[in-house]
Amino acid sequence: KNQVEQSPQSLIILEGKNCTLQCNYTVSPFSNLRWYKQDTGRGPVSLTIMTFSENTKSNGRYTATLDADTKQSSLHITASQLSDSASYICVVCTNQAGTALIFGKGTTLSVSS
Amino acid sequence: DAGVIQSPRHEVTEMGQEVTLRCKPISGHNSLFWYRQTMMRGLELLIYFNNNVPIDDSGMPEDRFSAKMPNASFSTLKIQPSEPRDSAVYFCASSWDRGRGPPDTEAFFGQGTRLTVV
Repeated sequence: KNQVEQSPQSLIILEGKNCTLQCNYTVSPFSNLRWYKQDTGRGPVSLTIMTFSENTKSNGRYTATLDADTKQSSLHITASQLSDSASYICVVCTNQAGTALIFGKGTTLSVSS
Repeated sequence: DAGVIQSPRHEVTEMGQEVTLRCKPISGHNSLFWYRQTMMRGLELLIYFNNNVPIDDSGMPEDRFSAKMPNASFSTLKIQPSEPRDSAVYFCASSWDRGRGPPDTEAFFGQGTRLTVV
């Protein structure tokens, strides 16, 4: 069964600290893996998209890694800011067109001052 | 571009009533998706259109749900009759599907419609 599991479910960190969110997947076939940020009351916004051959991709203070052998991905946030407080959703795409998406349930990050 | 526009932002209705959610995708995008998000199940794909044609509706939960895309700039998701368990946030997203090439097509989401059925 295609599944995307994220950990931790929630996380609280102090402003300025780094954190790493985890995503494990059992999805086949694999096309690409995406990380989305969803602010409260808003729709998800794409942070990174990685294909099978990519090990790491950065978007500002966000860096995503992908290990296709172990089927694991991580999202590292550097020097966290209050605006990073959101839900972070890992999504695995199983088709070339990018339309068959398996969503994780997300990690809720709270950054406090 | 204003992005994906959904209306209404909030809808409260009584059980048994018909509910229609609306979506305007980003101009030029040829793929449109309807998703439902709940605390218990997270985000779930309901239906996907490509070039205004429904391609995959396997996520539509029941016959009470129907979706249309009469043209490239408008889509509706209808629930009739609505039930309390339909309460969720419904998202519309759009993207450009090249059909071939690198599978890195990004989907842009609207702000969602929060539906409450009482």
